[in-house]
Amino acid sequence: DAGVTQSPTHLIKTRGQQVTLRCSPKSGHDTVSWYQQALGQGPQFIFQYYEEEERQRGNFPDRFSGHQFPNYSSELNVNALLLGDSALYLCASSLRQGRAYEQYFGPGTRLTVT
Amino acid sequence: QKEVEQDPGPLSVPEGAIVSLNCTYSNSAFQYFMWYRQYSRKGPELLMYTYSSGNKEDGRFTAQVDKSSKYISLFIRDSQPSDSATYLCAMSEMNTGFQKLVFGTGTRLLVSP
Repeated sequence: DAGVTQSPTHLIKTRGQQVTLRCSPKSGHDTVSWYQQALGQGPQFIFQYYEEEERQRGNFPDRFSGHQFPNYSSELNVNALLLGDSALYLCASSLRQGRAYEQYFGPGTRLTVT
Repeated sequence: QKEVEQDPGPLSVPEGAIVSLNCTYSNSAFQYFMWYRQYSRKGPELLMYTYSSGNKEDGRFTAQVDKSSKYISLFIRDSQPSDSATYLCAMSEMNTGFQKLVFGTGTRLLVSP
């Protein structure tokens, strides 16, 4: 079992550009959540996908959007990048019928905006 | 005011010391409490979880929840250099895989040999 995988590991973008991050959930999981972790901060909930629809959203602007595919993998898109978007982006997978503590995190994608 | 407050540290202790990590929270709807360990440049990994008030022990780790005070703790006995990491508390209102987790800032722990 490969667990939760994310790609790329890290990337550097320029202000105003757009970025797409990818996540493959743990085998058998059907729900994917995305979190943003700024340096020295705890993860902040961005949104959650189940059955290819956004089910919950945190306090993030519309520049942040996502998608879930039929195989449960997910993408996070960020448009019009700002310097403040520099962070570690974490994907967590879980079962809709599972427990809150059964959310498994991937290693993250480190995004640097210059 | 943040929903979950946690001292960012760093907390430096010698090997073998007992470590106490704490979080306070303001949302009385939180019922499920988790502690995650995060090594540098890695994703968080679950250490322990508890429901409502009470204690839970797992090896060298003990988690405590005091809902009346909105205060949770993680104790690490006989700390080891390999325990050096950032410790994140997280909370949720319901115990389902559908729940968003609300995290504290994380406390950086350094255990010296």
